[in-house]
Amino acid sequence: AQTVTQSQPEMSVQEAETVTLSCTYDTSESNYYLFWYKQPPSRQMILVIRQEAYKQQNATENRFSVNFQKAAKSFSLKISDSQLGDTAMYFCAFMNSIGEFGDSGGGADGLTFGKGTHLIIQP
Amino acid sequence: ETGVTQTPRHLVMGMTNKKSLKCEQHLGHNAMYWYKQSAKKPLELMFVYSLEERVENNSVPSRFSPECPNSSHLFLHLHTLQPEDSALYLCASSQDGRGTSTDTQYFGPGTRLTVL
Repeated sequence: AQTVTQSQPEMSVQEAETVTLSCTYDTSESNYYLFWYKQPPSRQMILVIRQEAYKQQNATENRFSVNFQKAAKSFSLKISDSQLGDTAMYFCAFMNSIGEFGDSGGGADGLTFGKGTHLIIQP
Repeated sequence: ETGVTQTPRHLVMGMTNKKSLKCEQHLGHNAMYWYKQSAKKPLELMFVYSLEERVENNSVPSRFSPECPNSSHLFLHLHTLQPEDSALYLCASSQDGRGTSTDTQYFGPGTRLTVL
């Protein structure tokens, strides 16, 4: 079974600063996907960024980028030029890759989430 | 975000009631999911449907009964719940649910359930 650990329950930074949220995971699989989701006070879970484990290049999405260290099983999220609207819970999530890369079987697989980091951007 | 909708948004029920949560996705996806989000706990996967067939059930109590009549609709039928079942119930959908590169899950806004 996979586990996802987010060791920072809460973080607070000033607007325009850069902040890094940490995430580690444990799996015996070699092919998988990692995600960061954002959940603002509205409770809507919003995808921030996605990383395929077979890709060495770190994913980026505007002000959001990841530092993916496969050997260390680490997947941190960096938010540059933080904005007040970035205030939210941030969840790191893991998903197995099924049906690709010649694996047998198929079907859907759910996400395994960490407990989340509450990020507060101060004006 | 209107890709995945959930109704009702809030629900209060007694332990002897029977109610249903509804999820609808407008994204043309083939897989749908139910998650439970409790305070101070990670989101927990409850059920997975792919092409209207249940492919995973994470040992959820039988008082939760899912139904997926077609690829656009997913229900969670509730009966004789306990107070500890109070939580935010999130629905999600993905393209084909096979862990492929397109298989990002998109979430609905959730139903806040309170069991008295």
